[in-house]
Amino acid sequence: QVQLVQSGSELRKPGASVKISCKASEYTFTKYAINWVRQAPGPGLEWLGWINTNTGNPTYAQAFTGRVVFSLDTSASTAYLQINSLKPEDSAIYYCARGSGEWDLWGQGTQVTVSS
Amino acid sequence: EIVVTQSPATLSVSPGERVTLSCRASQDIDTNLVWYQQKPGQAPRLLIYGASTRATGLPARFSGSGSGTEFTLTISSLQSEDFAVYYCLQYNNWPWMVTFGGGTKVEIK
Repeated sequence: QVQLVQSGSELRKPGASVKISCKASEYTFTKYAINWVRQAPGPGLEWLGWINTNTGNPTYAQAFTGRVVFSLDTSASTAYLQINSLKPEDSAIYYCARGSGEWDLWGQGTQVTVSS
Repeated sequence: EIVVTQSPATLSVSPGERVTLSCRASQDIDTNLVWYQQKPGQAPRLLIYGASTRATGLPARFSGSGSGTEFTLTISSLQSEDFAVYYCLQYNNWPWMVTFGGGTKVEIK
């Protein structure tokens, strides 16, 4: 089944880091970009950026440059999102999504909670 | 930065009614606009891309239109499974920037 499967919920203290995974199944991983999107409590979606799965080149949204890192393990068809220096306001559901403009396949989401 | 504004924020509708959601971009984005549907506890689902092209398997009651700065998503006859939050997204500046609208919640009247 064509899908993106994300890692499970995470609880971190302020100032810590977290690394979330997004594993692709049943399609050629390097054929599509992987985007990262977050949703804080309540409605509203925010784009963090994307990574070129062919070259590994990341593009970060301006608001997240310097604090998030996208990476790949193409042998495992997996993309990673690392968030450093976590703040309580980073508490959100983080999604990976496949595609360049239109994102036709999404992961199930990973809840990240930042609390002391 | 391109700002995307959706209206209304909430729409109360009865099943069977026709629904029109609006999305406005602060500058010309041609037809580089996507619509997503999100239900509680689920990831967003692609509905429309290129402003008017239906995603694979999407029922014909959903249609998108517009270009430039004004866009609409129309549901011709609202079904019970259509109650959800709808987001538009502009990708005119891909790969450098994309912007979501704030969403429209379609709720039962």
